[in-house]
Amino acid sequence: GEDVEQSLFLSVREGDSSVINCTYTDSSSTYLYWYKQEPGAGLQLLTYIFSNMDMKQDQRLTVLLNKKDKHLSLRIADTQTGDSAIYFCAEFGGFQKLVFGTGTRLLVSP
Amino acid sequence: GAVVSQHPSRVICKSGTSVKIECRSLDFQATTMFWYRQFPKKSLMLMATSNEGSKATYEQGVEKDKFLINHASLTLSTLTVTSAHPEDSSFYICSARRTGGTYEQYFGPGTRLTVT
Repeated sequence: GEDVEQSLFLSVREGDSSVINCTYTDSSSTYLYWYKQEPGAGLQLLTYIFSNMDMKQDQRLTVLLNKKDKHLSLRIADTQTGDSAIYFCAEFGGFQKLVFGTGTRLLVSP
Repeated sequence: GAVVSQHPSRVICKSGTSVKIECRSLDFQATTMFWYRQFPKKSLMLMATSNEGSKATYEQGVEKDKFLINHASLTLSTLTVTSAHPEDSSFYICSARRTGGTYEQYFGPGTRLTVT
């Protein structure tokens, strides 16, 4: 089956850049996503990238995809305290459903 | 756009009773809706996929008689937890995929179920 892995925790200072990494195993992934979850809330779709793209930028967010290594990253520029949350990567591939990573808890300190 | 609502946001019920959770896509039509369960500090576990007008497809290990799913219209899906037990206490999140769109999937705010 598919497997999506993330590091569990990341701590940065306000104003720094954050980079959250994700690896996946499904070579037939067509779309890859980043979601944000704040405490007690559902998931907010931040951005997604097609598997034939290398990079996508959307304001403070930059997504990089290395399809050969099956590695996805999310860079948040000028990280703010309001960015503190859990970030999930997810891939959509051969099984026609989203497979989520384990989630990375981002803590932004002032 | 692309707002998904859930109702109720929190519910407490006694063991043995049934609880219904509603999921609505407010500003788009969703042929396909999904129900997830999330344990504390864990990722989301897909329970079932429902398509409007047809029976839901359940993931392995999910009891279909325990978790009844109905997708009666293009904007509404319901999850009924029947004969609830304390181990059913969890955070349930629904999601909807826009009909005819790309593979964007939008999530509801979740329902916290506590069974006493």
